[in-house]
Amino acid sequence: NAGVMQNPRHLVRRRGQEARLRCSPMKGHSHVYWYRQLPEEGLKFMVYLQKENIIDESGMPKERFSAEFPKEGPSILRIQQVVRGDSAAYFCASSPRRDTSYEQYFGPGTRLTVT
Amino acid sequence: SQQGEEDPQALSIQEGENATMNCSYKTSINNLQWYRQNSGRGLVHLILIRSNEREKHSGRLRVTLDTSKKSSSLLITASRAADTASYFCATVARNDYKLSFGAGTTVTVRA
Repeated sequence: NAGVMQNPRHLVRRRGQEARLRCSPMKGHSHVYWYRQLPEEGLKFMVYLQKENIIDESGMPKERFSAEFPKEGPSILRIQQVVRGDSAAYFCASSPRRDTSYEQYFGPGTRLTVT
Repeated sequence: SQQGEEDPQALSIQEGENATMNCSYKTSINNLQWYRQNSGRGLVHLILIRSNEREKHSGRLRVTLDTSKKSSSLLITASRAADTASYFCATVARNDYKLSFGAGTTVTVRA
């Protein structure tokens, strides 16, 4: 049973370009969470999605950031017109249920560098 | 603000010694989890302790939870060089699902 997959592992973008980060949850998991980790900091929640639904996007910046989890395919975190401050590690986690007692399984992360 | 705050920020110990780090949080929780992150890598789940539990063990790891003090501790016994990593506590608030992480404790185990 493969774990949570994220790609690409490393992404370099120039200021103003778009960044697309992909996350495939563990088999059987329909709940996906995105977190961002700035250098020397802990992870911060961004968004929680179920298939075809955004459940909680309270941690998402209001502009330039969007997320989706379509019926088929991976979850996508999209950052438009990237700026240097978007440079960070972006982690995706999945869980089988919304039950708060379940642990979240993390992917290896995508490290975004904006030049 | 972050829910969990780890203490100390950094810890350096000799191989074979024990390492203890603490986590404090602010609101009522459903559970508290500890993760390890090696430099530049993803997170590895270590232990989940529920709000009605006081202590859990997993191999060389021991986690305690004191809900009256809103604090938890992680003890790594007989440390090894491979334990060198950052350790994060993360809380799940009551009636919530998202993890709130602290800034982590960086542990260095010297051979």
